[in-house]
Amino acid sequence: GDSVTQMEGPVTLSEEAFLTINCTYTATGYPSLFWYVQYPGEGLQLLLKATKADDKGSNKGFEATYRKETTSFHLEKGSVQVSDSAVYFCAPRSNDYKLSFGAGTTVTVRA
Amino acid sequence: EAGVVQSPRYKIIEKKQPVAFWCNPISGHNTLYWYRQNLGQGPELLIRYENEEAVDDSQLPKDRFSAERLKGVDSTLKIQPAELGDSAVYLCASSKSGGKNTEAFFGQGTRLTVV
Repeated sequence: GDSVTQMEGPVTLSEEAFLTINCTYTATGYPSLFWYVQYPGEGLQLLLKATKADDKGSNKGFEATYRKETTSFHLEKGSVQVSDSAVYFCAPRSNDYKLSFGAGTTVTVRA
Repeated sequence: EAGVVQSPRYKIIEKKQPVAFWCNPISGHNTLYWYRQNLGQGPELLIRYENEEAVDDSQLPKDRFSAERLKGVDSTLKIQPAELGDSAVYLCASSKSGGKNTEAFFGQGTRLTVV
C-alpha cells in the first residue's frame, strides 16, 4: 500500500516566517496528492491538492508542487500567521482510492 | 450545505463493553469512509463503502469491529467488546465518488476512551 513520510514536528515559528513541511510518498500507480489541515478543535479539512506531475496546488497562501521524479509534495507558505497554527497531513491517493495519511506535523506560530 | 455529521462526539466506556458510532454523510455522496486516528498519528482507514457495498474492509479488525451502511446513506461502526487499545478518535468521511481526484470531507470525529 501507499506510505507517507512527513517532516517530524513540532514546528514552532514566529509570525511572518517562512514555513516548509516536507512530504515524500511511495504509491502504486499515479496518485493524486493532498494536504489536509486540522485546526485546534476542528475536523480535518482539505487545504490543497494536485492531481498530476508538476501541478501546483494552492490555497490560503500555501503552495505545494507535485514532483513525480522525487515523489515529493512539500508544503510551503511564505509568511505564516498565528491562525496557521494547526496539524498538517500529507496524503496520497492511488487507484485503490484510499487516502493514506502521514503522521502529521504540528505547527505553532507565535505572535 | 451540511457537512459530515458524527455522533456522539465523545464516549467513555469500560473495557469489554460494546460501543457504536453513527455517521451521516453529505447528501449525494456515494462513498463513505471510516478512519481511526490514534493520538499523535495520522488517520488509518478501517473501511470504505461505495453506496451500501463495503469495497475495502481489509484493515477492519473483524473479530470485534463491524460496520453497516443500510440504504447507502447513514453508517454505523460498532466495537464489541471494546479493549483499552481501541481508545482513539473515529472519523467518518464522504466523497461524491471513489475517484482518486475527489475531495473527501471529514466529520469532527468521535473520541472514544476505554477505561
